[in-house]
Amino acid sequence: ETVMTQSPGTLSVSPGDTATLSCRASQSVRSLLAWYQQKPGQAPRLLIYGASSRATGIPARFVGSGSETEFTLTITSLQSEDSAVYYCQQYYDWPPYTFGQGTKLEIK
Amino acid sequence: EAQLLQSRAEVKKAGESLRIFCEASGFSFSTYWISWVRQMPGKGLEWMGSIFPGDSDTRYSPSFEGHVIISADKSVNTAYLQWSSLEPSDTAIYYCVRPSRPSLRVAFDVWGQGTVVTVSS
Repeated sequence: ETVMTQSPGTLSVSPGDTATLSCRASQSVRSLLAWYQQKPGQAPRLLIYGASSRATGIPARFVGSGSETEFTLTITSLQSEDSAVYYCQQYYDWPPYTFGQGTKLEIK
Repeated sequence: EAQLLQSRAEVKKAGESLRIFCEASGFSFSTYWISWVRQMPGKGLEWMGSIFPGDSDTRYSPSFEGHVIISADKSVNTAYLQWSSLEPSDTAIYYCVRPSRPSLRVAFDVWGQGTVVTVSS
């Protein structure tokens, strides 16, 4: 099973700044890595797939990068609406699909 | 538009059985793997298993195999998640999800609204 580890656990950033979220896989997942955003009381929403491709309707402020075992989600020009928990997920080595434990992004 | 509509919240007692459902619309249900994802209170996301409604091929996470059963009825475009004997630790939100393409190694782009299951002792 591929273990996904996200850092940091919580990130507090000011509006207009840039947030950098990290995700590490315990073994190579090629580029089969997704990022999801989950706001309180809502289902998760797909942001990024294939490590760097934005899902439909996702603003260009959300940028995914990386491959193999190291991945990054960069969110620029942060807005209050970006406050959420962000999860990475690998879908290369399955079963099982595995998620990271999440990074909580707070907008100051 | 592809949608997954899940059953309402359930409140049960330990030892009881339960089946929740996920009704699909707006896409060819039989050709997509449908997965179930658990989220325990205040915790992260856990993939439980997937089913291919076309032939009912089912794969489970080792963490959940033997404790739940995933099934589907393609005649009514519905997937199910069931327990024969609930435990308080089954208290969680359960999401059904669909990948963006009819394939296995694909991200989940369609999520149901979630079904809250509460199990008391």
